[in-house]
Amino acid sequence: EADIYQTPRYLVIGTGKKITLECSQTMGHDKMYWYQQDPGMELHLIHYSYGVNSTEKGDLSSESTVSRIRTEHFPLTLESARPSHTSQYLCASSGTGAERGYTFGSGTRLTVV
Amino acid sequence: QKEVEQDPGPLSVPEGAIVSLNCTYSNSAFQYFMWYRQYSRKGPELLMYTYSSGNKEDGRFTAQVDKSSKYISLFIRDSQPSDSATYLCAMSPWGAQKLVFGQGTRLTINP
Repeated sequence: EADIYQTPRYLVIGTGKKITLECSQTMGHDKMYWYQQDPGMELHLIHYSYGVNSTEKGDLSSESTVSRIRTEHFPLTLESARPSHTSQYLCASSGTGAERGYTFGSGTRLTVV
Repeated sequence: QKEVEQDPGPLSVPEGAIVSLNCTYSNSAFQYFMWYRQYSRKGPELLMYTYSSGNKEDGRFTAQVDKSSKYISLFIRDSQPSDSATYLCAMSPWGAQKLVFGQGTRLTINP
């Protein structure tokens, strides 16, 4: 049973629209991450947070923004969607104990038309 | 050059075969090594975790790390159709923080 939830699962939206991808976790993890994954390509880190009010950009340049007002919630926002934003977005969290790795959500598949 | 290189496949083998999946890396600071399995339309799930060099076995799965060669492997014995998925290697110098992922190998086990 998933302990990290992403909504929506699928989204088709027009160019120029503002969208927010939701991510929530119930494990009390301090660390949360957003990855972008294109078909057949590696996961690219776009944002991460090590706790409330702490956010950092990842290795992949992104026009999105994130916020971390509550431990369990890490939404990602695109102010003006473009076709180049079409991708799968994966949210993950991790706690103490490296052996547990990341827990991933099921992802949001975004298509911008 | 990518920090982590992984052959994307696709790899197709008959049921019962031994499967070998591999990754190479360039950052000698990596100490934590993981394998994730990702089914279609799902997020990755942690399959195996290894710290530093050596082998680790869990049922039909064995993970190997050779830090001197900067090379890690995942072996699947007695492969089953349910093992069909994309397998991603991941690694980090600092445990489960800012993992760097390989491209993923798409594996199909044919009945």
